[in-house]
Formats: sequence, C-alpha cells, structure tokens
Amino acid sequence: AQKVTQAQTEISVVEKEDVTLDCVYETRDTTYYLFWYKQPPSGELVFLIRRNSFDEQNEISGRYSWNFQKSTSSFNFTITASQVVDSAVYFCALSEGLGAGGSYIPTFGRGTSLIVHP
Amino acid sequence: DTGVSQNPRHKITKRGQNVTFRCDPISEHNRLYWYRQTLGQGPEFLTYFQNEAQLEKSRLLSDRFSAERPKGSFSTLEIQRTEQGDSAMYLCASSLAAGEYEQYFGPGTRLTVT
Repeated sequence: AQKVTQAQTEISVVEKEDVTLDCVYETRDTTYYLFWYKQPPSGELVFLIRRNSFDEQNEISGRYSWNFQKSTSSFNFTITASQVVDSAVYFCALSEGLGAGGSYIPTFGRGTSLIVHP
Repeated sequence: DTGVSQNPRHKITKRGQNVTFRCDPISEHNRLYWYRQTLGQGPEFLTYFQNEAQLEKSRLLSDRFSAERPKGSFSTLEIQRTEQGDSAMYLCASSLAAGEYEQYFGPGTRLTVT
C-alpha cells in the first residue's frame, strides 16, 4: 500500500479557477511531518509547506491554502484564482521516523500535474 | 549561497560503465539526501548523510550504488556497472539537522544508459 496517495494524476483548469490537490497518507507513527513541493517544468523541486502531526491548523499563504485533517489522513492543497505560472507537478510527502536511529525518511507521492490554461 | 548544485546535469553512458555524480549542498546544511526520480513518479529516497556519517543506506537500489560524503560537505553518488534500468533523474537535497525540516533540492543529474 502506498504511504502517500495522490489520486489525481493530472488536473486541467482555466486561469482564475480554484483547484484542490488531494493527498492521503498512511502512517502508524504519532509524530510525522507532511510536506508539499512544487516541481515546475524547469525541474527543480521547490518547498511549499511543512506541517507536523500535532498541528492541525489550516494555513493560508497568499493564494495557497492547506487543509490538514488527521481524522481522514488527508493534507489537501488549494490554489485560489489559479494562474498559468502555477502549472507544475505538485508532490505531497510524508516524513516518518522509520530509518536507522529513528531518523525521518521521506516518502513522496506520485505527484499531480496541474495545467492552467490562459 | 545559491542553493544546491549538482554536476553533471546530464550524463550519457554505455551499459556496464561506472558513473559518479556530485552534489554540493547549501553550506550551512548538514543533512544531505539522494533520490532517484523516474518519469511520472515522485522522488524515491536512496540514502542520506548527517555531516559525513551515512545514517541510512538500506534504500540504495542495489550494491552497485554507493555514496560518500567524506568531509561532510559535498557528496558523490556512484553507480557501478550501469544498466539501462538505471536511467533516471538523480536528485540531491539538503536540509538543516533534523530530517523533519524542509529539504532544498538541486536541479538533478539526468542519467541515460544506452
């Protein structure tokens, strides 16, 4: 079973539409971290947000917002009033303490490709 | 500091050859990670270092893969006896000490094995 599931392979929207990218995760740890990264066509992954398992507050940063719900093991990402520059692949990642010495090993989802048309 | 750098950006090699990639992390970051990314997939964790210590290497894909970070600064990833299935993008990332901090990724090295 995948630890991080991004069920939407590709989403296509028209500029100014709102769009939500889904992320569902699986872990038995009580302490874990969730991330969203953006990979534009240029290829370099860019960090967007980090959330720890004890902080369920939603967060808003400009046109971006994140909804973390432990009850449904979801960490969804919404872009409001999408723009062409938002076109990219977005990855959700889970960091659990499963490595040697309890070190945190990140697992990425397969990504959602967002295409914003002008 | 301009971020994480990786060299070369592209490498084409023939099957059976050895290849080595270099990663220079952000200077104040003491954690360094290696990932492999294939088309349509997310980054797949391979190994990581805390300073010069390799703390997790069980995820390296085979014994043909090895990584070093001899002085706790730059790191190298070597693939011996390359196979066509090794063709992928190899990403390096760095972060502050604890693994739960965000990682900063380099541009990657694209390997093509012919």
